[in-house]
Amino acid sequence: SAVISQKPSRDICQRGTSLTIQCQVDSQVTMMFWYRQQPGQSLTLIATANQGSEATYESGFVIDKFPISRPNLTFSTLTVSNMSPEDSSIYLCSVEGGEQLYEQYFGPGTRLTVT
Amino acid sequence: EDQVTQSPEALRLQEGESSSLNCSYTVSGLRGLFWYRQDPGKGPEFLFTLYSAGEEKEKERLKATLTKKESFLHITAPKPEDSATYLCAVQADFNKFYFGSGTKLNVKP
Repeated sequence: SAVISQKPSRDICQRGTSLTIQCQVDSQVTMMFWYRQQPGQSLTLIATANQGSEATYESGFVIDKFPISRPNLTFSTLTVSNMSPEDSSIYLCSVEGGEQLYEQYFGPGTRLTVT
Repeated sequence: EDQVTQSPEALRLQEGESSSLNCSYTVSGLRGLFWYRQDPGKGPEFLFTLYSAGEEKEKERLKATLTKKESFLHITAPKPEDSATYLCAVQADFNKFYFGSGTKLNVKP
């Protein structure tokens, strides 16, 4: 299975600022995913990022708020823009890969607190 | 409407007391059902994938089964280190991925 790292692991940010989260994978993968996990909740998919194309956003998420870059097959970034306290959450990246179809492996997450 | 529902929300067991967690789903075009374990402050850890009704997978004290409407995660003789939140997810048509809200398991010594 892929080994995934995220930076930063946690941050406390001021309202109105932006934070860019990095996701690095130890092998080349086609599809990378960004999720949000609000306190006490399950995971919600924000967008799917394929290398060489625009990210595909889920309903309720827009590119202006969550711009994503995918410059190569091992790296992606998610920016949380113009933050508000409602953006406080854990942000997780994941990749599809493994021995069987559709398996997803997750990074350790970035815990974001907006004050 | 596609959705995934897990029950119970929380489960307390004594060490050695076997039980089952449930994941029921209504999605169009099931491609796979996944079980994950999540420890506090960490990302989900992949456990199992099930693709078709009747399929079963086992790993140590865990056994996952799948029917056309639901999946069960059976925990046999659990230990305190099995305490975690167990998440179920379903992949449906158009690569849609839906997560349940999880079952928080607490195993007391």
